[in-house]
Amino acid sequence: DIQMTQSPSSLPASLGDRVTITCRASQDIGNYLRWFQQKPGKSPRLMIYGATNLAAGVPSRFSGSRSGSDYSLTINSLESEDMAIYYCLQHNEYPLTFGSGTKLEIK
Amino acid sequence: QVKLLQSGAALVKPGASVKMSCKASGYTFTDYWVSWVKQSHGKSLEWIGEIYPNSGATNFNEKFKGKATLTVDKSTSTAYMELSRLTSEDSAIYYCTRLNFDYWGQGVMVTVSS
Repeated sequence: DIQMTQSPSSLPASLGDRVTITCRASQDIGNYLRWFQQKPGKSPRLMIYGATNLAAGVPSRFSGSRSGSDYSLTINSLESEDMAIYYCLQHNEYPLTFGSGTKLEIK
Repeated sequence: QVKLLQSGAALVKPGASVKMSCKASGYTFTDYWVSWVKQSHGKSLEWIGEIYPNSGATNFNEKFKGKATLTVDKSTSTAYMELSRLTSEDSAIYYCTRLNFDYWGQGVMVTVSS
């Protein structure tokens, strides 16, 4: 199975900060990488697809990038509504696998 | 608008089975694979498997083969997942989601307890 190593597991940050979350794939997954946001008691929400494409309705302060096997989600100018857990997902190969999650919280 | 409406929470005894539903609306049900995802309390997400409603074709995470059975009812645009031989390890929230993971159900909390 493809392992998605996500870091950090916890990320304290201040409002207005720029933050980056990373997932490293254990094998080549091309751009078959999605990012999700999950708030307490809610279903995951698609934020980024194809590694770099913003999903519908997602604010432009979110962006995705790729460098080799490292995939990053960046949030510019953090807002309070961004505090959540973020997960990556590779869907290049079965079984689909998620990262372990990054909890973004107010410092 | 696209909606995936899942059945309610379930409390089941160890060794029993549970069947949950995911009713789709707002799109052509038979055109999109439906995936199921497990989230144990406070933990990450696990992909269980997927089903293509048009043909009934399935793909599974090996870990869940023998545990999960996926079916659909095209007449009601509903996908089902049955979990068998339940143990405490199966206590979790289970989500259905459409191909591309762009729409998700609200989740079903399954609690396995005697």
